[in-house]
Amino acid sequence: SQQGEEDPQALSIQEGENATMNCSYKTSINNLQWYRQNSGRGLVHLILIRSNEREKHSGRLRVTLDTSKKSSSLLITASRAADTASYFCARLNTGGFKTIFGAGTRLFVKA
Amino acid sequence: GAVVSQHPSWVICKSGTSVKIECRSLDFQATTMFWYRQFPKQSLMLMATSNEGSKATYEQGVEKDKFLINHASLTLSTLTVTSAHPEDSSFYICSASFSLNTGELFFGEGSRLTVL
Repeated sequence: SQQGEEDPQALSIQEGENATMNCSYKTSINNLQWYRQNSGRGLVHLILIRSNEREKHSGRLRVTLDTSKKSSSLLITASRAADTASYFCARLNTGGFKTIFGAGTRLFVKA
Repeated sequence: GAVVSQHPSWVICKSGTSVKIECRSLDFQATTMFWYRQFPKQSLMLMATSNEGSKATYEQGVEKDKFLINHASLTLSTLTVTSAHPEDSSFYICSASFSLNTGELFFGEGSRLTVL
C-alpha cells in the first residue's frame, strides 16, 4: 500500500479544544509533511518537518517527529470551526521523488 | 505560495466520451507534475508522474491508454480520461512540485468527474 497509517480516522471536538492527529510510517524519511484538505477541494501544504528536527511550530500548529518510532503528530491548539477538514501526513517514497499520502484524519470542530 | 490552477472543477459526461482536465502552474515552472485520484472519504492515490517533454510514468495498476497524460510545456499538464465509464467517476487532483528534494507539493483545486 502507498499509504501510511494515521489515527484517528475521524475526530470530533468542540471549538477551543486541542486536536491531535498521529501518523506512522514504515520507511526512513528525509522529511515529513502535513497537508490540509477542505471538503471537495485541493490540498494545502501546512508544514514540513525534517528528519533531524523533533518539533516545529507554525501559528496554532505544532508538529512533532520521532524517527525512532517512525511517527509524527500534528497538534492544532484552540481549534476553530474553520479548522474542520481532512488532514494528511505525507512523505517522499523511498529513494524517489513521489509524495505518498497517509490515510488521513477527518477533523470536525463543532462551534 | 505557488499557485496551481486546475480546470474544469467539475464535469459530467456520458459513458464512452473522453474528458480532458488541465493543470497549470501559474507563477512557477513545473518540470514535474503529479496526478492523483481520490475516492470519497479516502486518501490520495498517485496515478502518474508527468514530466515535461517526456512520457509520463504511471503507477502500477493505472492504465496509460485510459488515462492519457501530456506535459507539453513547463506550465501545463493535461489528463485525458478516454472512453470514460461510470467507474472512472472520481475526484482527480493535480499537483506541481516546487522542490523534488523535499517533495513539497502545490495542488490544484481538483476536478470532480461524473460519468453517466
